[in-house]
Amino acid sequence: EPEVTQTPSHQVTQMGQEVILRCVPISNHLYFYWYRQILGQKVEFLVSFYNNEISEKSEIFDDQFSVERPDGSNFTLKIRSTKLEDSAMYFCASTTAYNQPQHFGDGTRLSIL
Amino acid sequence: GDSVTQMEGPVTLSEEAFLTINCTYTATGYPSLFWYVQYPGEGLQLLLKATKADDKGSNKGFEATYRKETTSFHLEKGSVQVSDSAVYFCALWDNYQLIWGAGTKLIIKP
Repeated sequence: EPEVTQTPSHQVTQMGQEVILRCVPISNHLYFYWYRQILGQKVEFLVSFYNNEISEKSEIFDDQFSVERPDGSNFTLKIRSTKLEDSAMYFCASTTAYNQPQHFGDGTRLSIL
Repeated sequence: GDSVTQMEGPVTLSEEAFLTINCTYTATGYPSLFWYVQYPGEGLQLLLKATKADDKGSNKGFEATYRKETTSFHLEKGSVQVSDSAVYFCALWDNYQLIWGAGTKLIIKP
C-alpha cells in the first residue's frame, strides 16, 4: 500500500537555526497537510496546501513557517528561526480530496536545543 | 469552535477483554468522524470512519457508531489482543482540518 514518507525521523537543531522537514506524499494525492503534536498535547493543524498554494493555515503557522512543493513529489515545511517551543512531532498527511481520510507519515521528531 | 473529548488513559485491559474508548464531540453541523491509531514508534493510521449519523465504521474488529443524539463516536472491540496496544485518537473533520482528541493509550496485558 502506498505510504506517506517523512524525513528525517529525528532532527536536532540549535535555537535560531532554520530547519526543513521533508515529506513525500502519496503520488496521486492532491491535498497536503502539516500537523504537529507537542509532547503531552493534542495534535494541532498547521497548514493545508492544494494546487501549489496554501489553502488554509492556523494561527500557529506564523511568518516563521513556510511550505513548498518544489518538484511535484516533495512537500516541505520550513521553520526559519526555530524556538524552543517548536519542539514537537511534526506529521505530514495527504489525501485525494479535501473531505477524504488523510494518510499520515510516521512523523519527524524535532528537538530544539 | 469544534472540539473532541476522549476518555483519559491509560486504559489497561487483559487479553480478550471487551474494549470501549469514549469519544464525544462538539461541532456545528454533522462532521465526518474518525478513529486513528498510533502504534509504538509509528505514525497515525486511519482505523475507521463514519460520515453521517447512524453510520457504523469498522475495521480489524473495531467498531464505532456515529450517534448524533449523544454527539458520540465510541470505539469498541469485543476481544482485544496484545497487538492492539497503541494510542487511539478520535478526530472530526472541520471543513479544512482534522480536530483531534487528546488520545487514549491502551495497554493490553497477556
